[in-house]
Amino acid sequence: QKEVEQNSGPLSVPEGAIASLNCTYSDRGSQSFFWYRQYSGKSPELIMSIYSNGDKEDGRFTAQLNKASQYVSLLIRDSQPSDSATYLCALMNSGGYQKVTFGTGTKLQVIP
Amino acid sequence: EPEVTQTPSHQVTQMGQEVILRCVPISNHLYFYWYRQILGQKVEFLVSFYNNEISEKSEIFDDQFSVERPDGSNFTLKIRSTKLEDSAMYFCASSADSSRDEQYFGPGTRLTVT
Repeated sequence: QKEVEQNSGPLSVPEGAIASLNCTYSDRGSQSFFWYRQYSGKSPELIMSIYSNGDKEDGRFTAQLNKASQYVSLLIRDSQPSDSATYLCALMNSGGYQKVTFGTGTKLQVIP
Repeated sequence: EPEVTQTPSHQVTQMGQEVILRCVPISNHLYFYWYRQILGQKVEFLVSFYNNEISEKSEIFDDQFSVERPDGSNFTLKIRSTKLEDSAMYFCASSADSSRDEQYFGPGTRLTVT
């Protein structure tokens, strides 16, 4: 079983819609969860971090964490063409010292 | 806004040669990392470094790899004898301290081994 699983996509949404990106993970002891955005040929850019169950909102982004279901999601409201990128779910394992494990990413396409 | 910087942006080397990739982490950060991303694949952890020593390394980080903080600002990754399969993007990252584990990535060095 992969440590961090994401649907590779592409996920296509029209401009102005809500994009919903999902991620599941296998290590129940994972403590910290992150969403990164990666444009083609560029480095990962941190969008959100979440540490406890529930929702965390930052502007147009909302991260949701459900540790019982081992599930993390990212909602992007009012999607813009500039949001078109690959979104990486990442987590910090319980046993690792600051090591972050990444999923393969979901490619998001926002259609104007 | 402070950011992680990396040099060079692109390095081409021949198989068997040594390369050094350089990074300047964010100035008040204490934890430093190297990751790599082979084209079309996921970002993979290589090594973490704290208090002038390696705190964790992956199975990828074998004897061919080493890291160093030669002065108060630079953090380097050395690959002693490059192989074709070392071709990848190498990202340096840093984080502030154990209470804030958000890692910020540099722009990366594209390493091409021919």
